[in-house]
Amino acid sequence: QVQVVESGGGLVKPGRSLRLSCAASGFTFSDYYMTWIRQAPGKGLEWISSISGKSTYTKYADSVKGRFTISRDNAKKSMFLQMNSLRAEDTAVYYCARVRGLAILDYWGQGTLVTVSS
Amino acid sequence: DIQMTQSPSSLSASVGDRVTITCQASQDITIYLNWYQQKPGKAPKLLIYDASNLEAGVPSRFGGSGSGTDFTFTISSLQPEDIATYYCQQYDDLPYTFGQGTKLELK
Repeated sequence: QVQVVESGGGLVKPGRSLRLSCAASGFTFSDYYMTWIRQAPGKGLEWISSISGKSTYTKYADSVKGRFTISRDNAKKSMFLQMNSLRAEDTAVYYCARVRGLAILDYWGQGTLVTVSS
Repeated sequence: DIQMTQSPSSLSASVGDRVTITCQASQDITIYLNWYQQKPGKAPKLLIYDASNLEAGVPSRFGGSGSGTDFTFTISSLQPEDIATYYCQQYDDLPYTFGQGTKLELK
């Protein structure tokens, strides 16, 4: 069955970096766009980045542009989010999700918590 | 950015009630709207896509309608397991944006 699992979250100081991973299984990974969504504690959902199946297309929210980089390794069925220059406002649960069609987020991981604090 | 305004922000209803949530887009998004359910401590789950299509495996008591700027999400007969927060999401244009959520509670 389709599954996506995030990892790599943790406590990090402001200005430092962190790399999140998303491992996929149960589907032909390279056929699908993938995306990262985050949710600050007690808040709503925020789309932050998407990547096409062959990595030719990447998009970012303004809030992370220039600091975060999305990538994927289709051979390893994995997607990544390199987060640099982290700020307190980046504190959130980060979800990866499979994208069906344009932007129908049909399978989500359980999320990984990133806490940015000194 | 396209703003998505959900109402109400919270709702209290009884088992068996018909529940309606609305989502208004700041510009025409045709039918590019999805609805998600999120239970506490869990990931969101897709319920409705393209404004009115029920995702496979989702109970038929859930439904959606609308186009353009005004959309409605309905639970025809509320069940205890439906207690959650519900979000709309537009994908007519980047950045994809979500409504602020509607927290549904049992009366």
